[in-house]
Amino acid sequence: QKEVEQNSGPLSVPEGAIASLNCTYSDRGSQSFFWYRQYSGKSPELIMSIYSNGDKEDGRFTAQLNKASQYVSLLIRDSQPSDSATYLCAASFSGGYNKLIFGAGTRLAVHP
Amino acid sequence: ETGVTQTPRHLVMGMTNKKSLKCEQHLGHNAMYWYKQSAKKPLELMFVYNFKEQTENNSVPSRFSPECPNSSHLFLHLHTLQPEDSALYLCASSQGGAPTDTQYFGPGTRLTVL
Repeated sequence: QKEVEQNSGPLSVPEGAIASLNCTYSDRGSQSFFWYRQYSGKSPELIMSIYSNGDKEDGRFTAQLNKASQYVSLLIRDSQPSDSATYLCAASFSGGYNKLIFGAGTRLAVHP
Repeated sequence: ETGVTQTPRHLVMGMTNKKSLKCEQHLGHNAMYWYKQSAKKPLELMFVYNFKEQTENNSVPSRFSPECPNSSHLFLHLHTLQPEDSALYLCASSQGGAPTDTQYFGPGTRLTVL
């Protein structure tokens, strides 16, 4: 059973701090990784995708991938209360066409 | 309308009812998906369609019946559901089936089975 593991949280950080969200995956053949943000009662929206080892930056967000350790992370700099949401990590499944395996999500709370 | 739309947004049904969920994507994508999201659980992939053909059925009970008449529309027909089927049902679409193709989600249908 291929899995994606995330700490459920809540992860509580003060406004302006860096929030660090982590994810591990079991499918060594996974090629693509995605971070989605989901506000309460809403659907997931894409924050970042990453395919190669290393860092990828987009505004206040940085995704990090280490395929040898099967580890993906998302850093949010200058955290804002509006960043408070559940962050879902997803990995492409090597054994199936179009298939993503999702983690259960980490709830982030940014307090003023 | 833009992106991925779903109707209805909320649905309450009895165990003997028959209802359908509708999804439409306006992105020109070729792949569409149904997911189930229950509280505190990861999103569960239910069905995948590529160019109208079903390519994945993730051991979903037969009381859930998908239909994909074209690449823009996807339905989920429901009958004789159980209370444990209450969940958020999400539709998504992607350009194709490559691992790098991003899946874009609709707003979901909140289903309650009494």
